[in-house]
Amino acid sequence: SAVISQKPSRDICQRGTSLTIQCQVDSQVTMMFWYRQQPGQSLTLIATANQGSEATYESGFVIDKFPISRPNLTFSTLTVSNMSPEDSSIYLCSVNTGAPSGANVLTFGAGSRLTVL
Amino acid sequence: KNQVEQSPQSLIILEGKNCTLQCNYTVSPFSNLRWYKQDTGRGPVSLTIMTFSENTKSNGRYTATLDADTKQSSLHITASQLSDSASYICVVSRNTGGFKTIFGAGTRLFVKA
Repeated sequence: SAVISQKPSRDICQRGTSLTIQCQVDSQVTMMFWYRQQPGQSLTLIATANQGSEATYESGFVIDKFPISRPNLTFSTLTVSNMSPEDSSIYLCSVNTGAPSGANVLTFGAGSRLTVL
Repeated sequence: KNQVEQSPQSLIILEGKNCTLQCNYTVSPFSNLRWYKQDTGRGPVSLTIMTFSENTKSNGRYTATLDADTKQSSLHITASQLSDSASYICVVSRNTGGFKTIFGAGTRLFVKA
């Protein structure tokens, strides 16, 4: 399966600033996914990063708050803009390493733990 | 509404004991069900994946079952080890012209010596 590297692994940021999280995959993938995991909660999909087109955002998430770049098939970034303490979460990058049957199997990066003061 | 419900929310067991985690879902049309293990501070790691026609799937000491009729799945952990302490997340996908993934809230397992 794919190996995903995320950085930073953790950061502490001041309110009002922005942070960019990087995700590098060791193979070319069509779609990359960005998830948020708030403390004690399960994962929520933020957006799907498509190479060559704008990201597709889920309900409740907007591009101005979470701009995404996808310059090639192995790399993506997620920016958390104008941060507030409510943005304190783990942000996870994921790719679909589908089995031959076509069933989608998500492989995740280790996550980026963000704390906003 | 497409939902995935897991129980219990948390569980404490002694090392060496067995345990079973439950997952009920209402996702439709069903595509596949996966169990993930998430260690604290890490990303989830896939344990098993089952499609509609599969009833059971094992991965070492982990055995997952699926009853597609009752829309229930379980994850059985045999001879638990301290390293099994983690969150276990049930994930169900539906295929409506594109895969949609729904995550359960997870069961937090604590294995004590």
